[in-house]
Amino acid sequence: NIVMTQSPKSMSISVGDRVTMNCKASQNVYNNIAWYQQKPGQSPKLLIYYASNRYNGVPDRFTGSGYGTDFTLTINSVQAEDAAFYYCQRIYNSPTFGGGTKLELK
Amino acid sequence: QVQLKESGPGLVQPSQTLSLTCTVSGFSLTSYNVHWVRQPPGKGLEWMGRMRYNGDTSYNSALKSRLSISRDTSKNQVFLKMNSLQTDDTGTYYCTGTGSSGYFDYWGQGVMVTVSS
Repeated sequence: NIVMTQSPKSMSISVGDRVTMNCKASQNVYNNIAWYQQKPGQSPKLLIYYASNRYNGVPDRFTGSGYGTDFTLTINSVQAEDAAFYYCQRIYNSPTFGGGTKLELK
Repeated sequence: QVQLKESGPGLVQPSQTLSLTCTVSGFSLTSYNVHWVRQPPGKGLEWMGRMRYNGDTSYNSALKSRLSISRDTSKNQVFLKMNSLQTDDTGTYYCTGTGSSGYFDYWGQGVMVTVSS
């Protein structure tokens, strides 16, 4: 089974900063990766699909990149509303989520 | 407008069976896949299993022996049944929809299930 490992587990940054979080697959998943944002008490929301495609309505400060086993979600000029958990997911076959990264605002 | 809504008991006793229903609208179950995902309190997301558009099912290997997913296309409903529940099965259970693309673009609001005597 493919394991998805996210790092860091948490990060605390200031509004306006740029943040990068990572997702590593234990095997080659090509570009079959999605990223989700989840705020407390809410369902996850799709941000990025196929590693680098922004979903409908997602602000362009969110950027996904990577291929194969290493993937990155970057948020440029973080806003207060971006405080949330972020999960990567290997899509298709047996979808697997990473453990998540918690983004907190200072 | 695509919508998914989970329903089921909020409290289940240990060793009993959990039965949840996902009622969908805005799309046909014969053209869309529906997955179940759960989340223990304060923890991450776990994929449980899937009902494909053609009626095929697949399950997380860790849950396969306890889990069953079925559907009633005439009622636009997908069902989850999981037996031998334990306290670590406590959490929020979501149903989510995907097309052939594979990513989960539609999510229900989730239903909280507590396993306790």
